[in-house]
Amino acid sequence: DQQVKQNSPSLSVQEGRISILNCDYTNSMFDYFLWYKKYPAEGPTFLISISSIKDKNEDGRFTVFLNKSAKHLSLHIVPSQPGDSAVYFCAAVTEGSNYKLTFGKGTLLTVNP
Amino acid sequence: DGGITQSPKYLFRKEGQNVTLSCEQNLNHDAMYWYRQDPGQGLRLIYYSQIVNDFQKGDIAEGYSVSREKKESFPLTVTSAQKNPTAFYLCASSATSAGELFFGEGSRLTVL
Repeated sequence: DQQVKQNSPSLSVQEGRISILNCDYTNSMFDYFLWYKKYPAEGPTFLISISSIKDKNEDGRFTVFLNKSAKHLSLHIVPSQPGDSAVYFCAAVTEGSNYKLTFGKGTLLTVNP
Repeated sequence: DGGITQSPKYLFRKEGQNVTLSCEQNLNHDAMYWYRQDPGQGLRLIYYSQIVNDFQKGDIAEGYSVSREKKESFPLTVTSAQKNPTAFYLCASSATSAGELFFGEGSRLTVL
């Protein structure tokens, strides 16, 4: 049973345009949602997070939106840059879950110059 | 510099052999984790530890073992019982329950 789903395995965007990465979840008990970025043969790096009590969090070019009623979150990257090309993982965690994150399968973003 | 160090970065082993992957952190984090990444599978939790001398199984613990004798170290042993050990293994640590994990650079294990 996959609690965090990233239904798009890949996304291709032109440099300078907006990238929108989507994530759906089924567990309404999740308290925090996080996005990680991963380059090949490297460990993921934390990008941005959002608490379940908020609907938006912004950090520079990155904004995460949370729609609790739809159990959906999205990561917006504006403007997209070639260096943003990577796999993006959506993850979720419940407070008191012994720190266990649940990850989606990832979306490969390619930003074309 | 603070961080997580995994070694070796690349490792080959023959079938039937056990192998141990090292993970060391100097971030003073209490919690440490081992994940496995396979193509199209995302990150799956193998084992995690919240405190020294204590650890719990994750979602795919079969064929793996861990120890947590020191706060800084969380080695993972891939045993011969693991049916499909070829994968990219990631170690991580966390200071809070808000879930922000800091990852090492990974170890790629290939079974010949």
